[in-house]
Amino acid sequence: DQQVKQNSPSLSVQEGRISILNCDYTNSMFDYFLWYKKYPAEGPTFLISISSIKDKNEDGRFTVFLNKSAKHLSLHIVPSQPGDSAVYFCEGDNTNAGKSTFGDGTTLTVKP
Amino acid sequence: EAGVAQSPRYKIIEKRQSVAFWCNPISGHATLYWYQQILGQGPKLLIQFQNNGVVDDSQLPKDRFSAERLKGVDSTLKIQPAKLEDSAVYLCASSPGPYNEQFFGPGTRLTVL
Repeated sequence: DQQVKQNSPSLSVQEGRISILNCDYTNSMFDYFLWYKKYPAEGPTFLISISSIKDKNEDGRFTVFLNKSAKHLSLHIVPSQPGDSAVYFCEGDNTNAGKSTFGDGTTLTVKP
Repeated sequence: EAGVAQSPRYKIIEKRQSVAFWCNPISGHATLYWYQQILGQGPKLLIQFQNNGVVDDSQLPKDRFSAERLKGVDSTLKIQPAKLEDSAVYLCASSPGPYNEQFFGPGTRLTVL
């Protein structure tokens, strides 16, 4: 039972355009969501998070949207830059149980 | 601020051998995690420590995997005996508490032949 799904294994966008990465979850007990970015041969690094009591969180070029009724969240990167090329992981947390679950990642390629 | 340190970075062993990985979290971080990441998949939590106590080890294959976090600081993860399917990157992460963002180390890439 994969509780966090990132259905697009890869995404390619042009520099300067918007990148939209999607994540669906099935566990209604998740109350906190995080996005991480991972470069080859490195560990994931935290990017942005959102609490389930919010529907949007913004940090510079990165915005995360949460649709609780659809159990869906998305990460928007505007404008996309070649340095954004990486694997992006979505994480769902059930903070009451101390449980976290990662999706399988989406590889973003931003072309110059 | 120093990040999460892991060693070794790479390890190649034959099946049925033993292997151990070491992790030194960020100073002051109470929560420590070990993940297994198989190629093409997301990190899968193996065990989570809060200080030196185990919070969650429900996905740890306890017949062959063991982990400890003595004195609530650094941690070791051991596999004995290794199987081919254990080939993966083993990631260690730490956080100030269980509900904060995690800081990951570079990982140890294990190849079991």
